[in-house]
Amino acid sequence: KAGVTQTPRYLIKTRGQQVTLSCSPISGHRSVSWYQQTPGQGLQFLFEYFSETQRNKGNFPGRFSGRQFSNSRSEMNVSTLELGDSALYLCASSPLDSLNTEAFFGQGTRLTVV
Amino acid sequence: TQLLEQSPQFLSIQEGENLTVYCNSSSVFSSLQWYRQEPGEGPVLLVTVVTGGEVKKLKRLTFQFGDARKDSSLHITAAQPGDTGLYLCAGEWIRDDKIIFGKGTRLHILP
Repeated sequence: KAGVTQTPRYLIKTRGQQVTLSCSPISGHRSVSWYQQTPGQGLQFLFEYFSETQRNKGNFPGRFSGRQFSNSRSEMNVSTLELGDSALYLCASSPLDSLNTEAFFGQGTRLTVV
Repeated sequence: TQLLEQSPQFLSIQEGENLTVYCNSSSVFSSLQWYRQEPGEGPVLLVTVVTGGEVKKLKRLTFQFGDARKDSSLHITAAQPGDTGLYLCAGEWIRDDKIIFGKGTRLHILP
């Protein structure tokens, strides 16, 4: 069974640009959540999607958005990039309809904003 | 304010030694999970604890959930270089069902 796949693995963008990251969950998993990981703040929850609906949202500005498609694949978008958005963005999928279960993480997308 | 405080932040010990790392909070969690993350990879789930006072063993790793479901510990016996990594605890916060992560303990086992 394939694991969670995130693309691209690495990305370099300029301030002010926008970026889209992609996540393919484990087959059969319907819940997808996104996290931002930085050395200073650790892992911070961005949002969770289930059946194409955002079910939960962290404390990030509106520049961070996401969506989920009917095949459970998810994308997150960051607009008007800032230097502080440089981070490892992790996607996790879960088999049930709640985060109250084990999360399986992808390898992440390392975003660098210059 | 960090809801889940992990200590120590960094730990470097010799192979064969025992160690304990902690995950503490003033809040109650419905469940708590421990993950290990290696450089360039996503976190990998080690264990989930649900019941207050629960103890789970995974080979040389022993996980305990506090009676009040506010804290947890991870004890490693006879540490090996392969145990090196960032250990993260994560809890489902009882107030709003959100998953909260601690900042982690970075463990380095010297051969």
